[in-house]
Amino acid sequence: DAKTTQPPSMDCAEGRAANLPCNHSTISGNEYVYWYRQIHSQGPQYIIHGLKNNETNEMASLIITEDRKSSTLILPHATLRDTAVYYCIVLIQGAQKLVFGQGTRLTINP
Amino acid sequence: DAGITQSPRHKVTETGTPVTLRCHQTENHRYMYWYRQDPGHGLRLIHYSYGVKDTDKGEVSDGYSVSRSKTEDFLLTLESATSSQTSVYFCAITSGTGHNSPLHFGNGTRLTVT
Repeated sequence: DAKTTQPPSMDCAEGRAANLPCNHSTISGNEYVYWYRQIHSQGPQYIIHGLKNNETNEMASLIITEDRKSSTLILPHATLRDTAVYYCIVLIQGAQKLVFGQGTRLTINP
Repeated sequence: DAGITQSPRHKVTETGTPVTLRCHQTENHRYMYWYRQDPGHGLRLIHYSYGVKDTDKGEVSDGYSVSRSKTEDFLLTLESATSSQTSVYFCAITSGTGHNSPLHFGNGTRLTVT
């Protein structure tokens, strides 16, 4: 599975959009980009995933560049409860062995 | 929590003793996983199961064994616990291997080996 690179930490003001970047320059054509987050002491929570088109759900939006070498997770109106570690993962369809990197620790400030 | 229950939630045990952690799901999902999480290492896959009696090793399987005798239960056993196995253990489940089948995680078991 392709390796991902994320900044170790980010800050965002409450109510603003939080944009979390992820680089996956070695991604293959059949690999999906998944995002999870982990709030302190809880299990990771699925957020969103995509292949090459931008995706949106009730939690977030996922923007994938045209060359698919990077993506951005957008939390449109961040709240204090969005403070968590966010993981970007690439995964071949049909494979379910998620490999987690170190993630980005996002802090939402009041 | 997608119908996942991990037990116990906390356990303290002594070096050399056997320990079994249980993951129970009510979703009838085929795939189940055990991860451990440690500072500086993130989440690492220990073992996974793709059906009753079908299991395979992950990246950190040494010192661990698993069993899946029923769809709903996936057991992780430390035959002889060591201090290096002090960690938080997470179980995860998914219905299939399609791209619309993300993993759902339990809330973890915190194990301390003294």
